[in-house]
Amino acid sequence: KQEVTQIPAALSVPEGENLVLNCSFTDSAIYNLQWFRQDPGKGLTSLLLIQSSQREQTSGRLNASLDKSSGRSTLYIAASQPGDSATYLCAGHDSSNTGKLIFGQGTTLQVKP
Amino acid sequence: NAGVMQNPRHLVRRRGQEARLRCSPMKGHSHVYWYRQLPEEGLKFMVYLQKENIIDESGMPKERFSAEFPKEGPSILRIQQVVRGDSAAYFCASSPPAGGPYNEQFFGPGTRLTVL
Repeated sequence: KQEVTQIPAALSVPEGENLVLNCSFTDSAIYNLQWFRQDPGKGLTSLLLIQSSQREQTSGRLNASLDKSSGRSTLYIAASQPGDSATYLCAGHDSSNTGKLIFGQGTTLQVKP
Repeated sequence: NAGVMQNPRHLVRRRGQEARLRCSPMKGHSHVYWYRQLPEEGLKFMVYLQKENIIDESGMPKERFSAEFPKEGPSILRIQQVVRGDSAAYFCASSPPAGGPYNEQFFGPGTRLTVL
């Protein structure tokens, strides 16, 4: 059974720092992996999708990597800004033929001005 | 292209009443997923539907919960005889048909259900 774990659960950094959020999964048969952002009381915004055949994806200041052999993904945020404060969720597409997402518990990030 | 739409955004029900949550997927999307986020817990998959078909309902509670995605109109998640433990945020996501079920999923703003 696929399980997704995110470390750390919470993170507070000063503005301008580069930071790394970690995600690990138990079943290397994971298909695709998606990173999301969730603001308090809001829905989820898709940040990056890493397909099974890819190792990383980049969008602006965000870079996500996927290492299926070790069961890990990382989200790198460069030059963090207060507007980056949110909860970041990683989710793996289940390898069954339905594509349902298995979510981690999230990392709550606070970027202080 | 409007995103995934959900209504109502907030819903209050008394114990024993019925709750109906609606989801309109993005234009051109034929795959709909429902997820639930209980207080202080992560998001959990409930059900995956395509037009007029339930593909995977392995995450749905066996009783009181049902879902549909008719040929015309939005997808509906229905909860009968609600209990306080049903209080949660319910999110709908959609993805396009091309390439099968592993496409990027796009989420709606959610419906926050409160059971009194």
